[in-house]
Amino acid sequence: QKEVEQDPGPLSVPEGAIVSLNCTYSNSAFQYFMWYRQYSRKGPELLMYTYSSGNKEDGRFTAQVDKSSKYISLFIRDSQPSDSATYLCAMSPPMTTDSWGKLQFGAGTQVVVTP
Amino acid sequence: DGGITQSPKYLFRKEGQNVTLSCEQNLNHDAMYWYRQDPGQGLRLIYYSQIVNDFQKGDIAEGYSVSREKKESFPLTVTSAQKNPTAFYLCASSYGGQGTEQYFGPGTRLTVT
Repeated sequence: QKEVEQDPGPLSVPEGAIVSLNCTYSNSAFQYFMWYRQYSRKGPELLMYTYSSGNKEDGRFTAQVDKSSKYISLFIRDSQPSDSATYLCAMSPPMTTDSWGKLQFGAGTQVVVTP
Repeated sequence: DGGITQSPKYLFRKEGQNVTLSCEQNLNHDAMYWYRQDPGQGLRLIYYSQIVNDFQKGDIAEGYSVSREKKESFPLTVTSAQKNPTAFYLCASSYGGQGTEQYFGPGTRLTVT
């Protein structure tokens, strides 16, 4: 079983709808959580960075962390065709000498926003 | 502008040849990383470096080699020992340490025939 699970999609929504993405993880020691957006044939771009449980909002994006359920979410409000991309979750593994600076990534969810 | 550059964007090689992918950053980051991305498999860590002149194997280091002679540069060599080298290769950097976010370059698409 992978440490981070993410539904690959594709997730298709009409323009203007709310996009809801999530990842589940198995290791309760994960502390830092990130969401990346990746357009086709491009490098991932950091969207959101959170620490601890709760919500963080940035424009149309809201990141949510529920450590008790080992579940993180990303919501995109008023979705646009330009939001069509693959969204990757990432999290920081427990502090050990072997894990220094490393991130554990989900496989990514492909999102398609149709006009 | 600060950022990470990777060159070339597309690379074609014949089987049996070694090839070196370039990665440069001007973000003054200590740590640098190489990932491989295949369809449906997410990002897999090849090598990472926490500091100049030091690097460690990631999850899929076999058939790859790296060097870190300068803080700004972390080239990756795909050797002929790599059994399935065709993939999208991504370089990233971060300040390093627990939980620091990584920033990615634009990637190099390597095709070996």
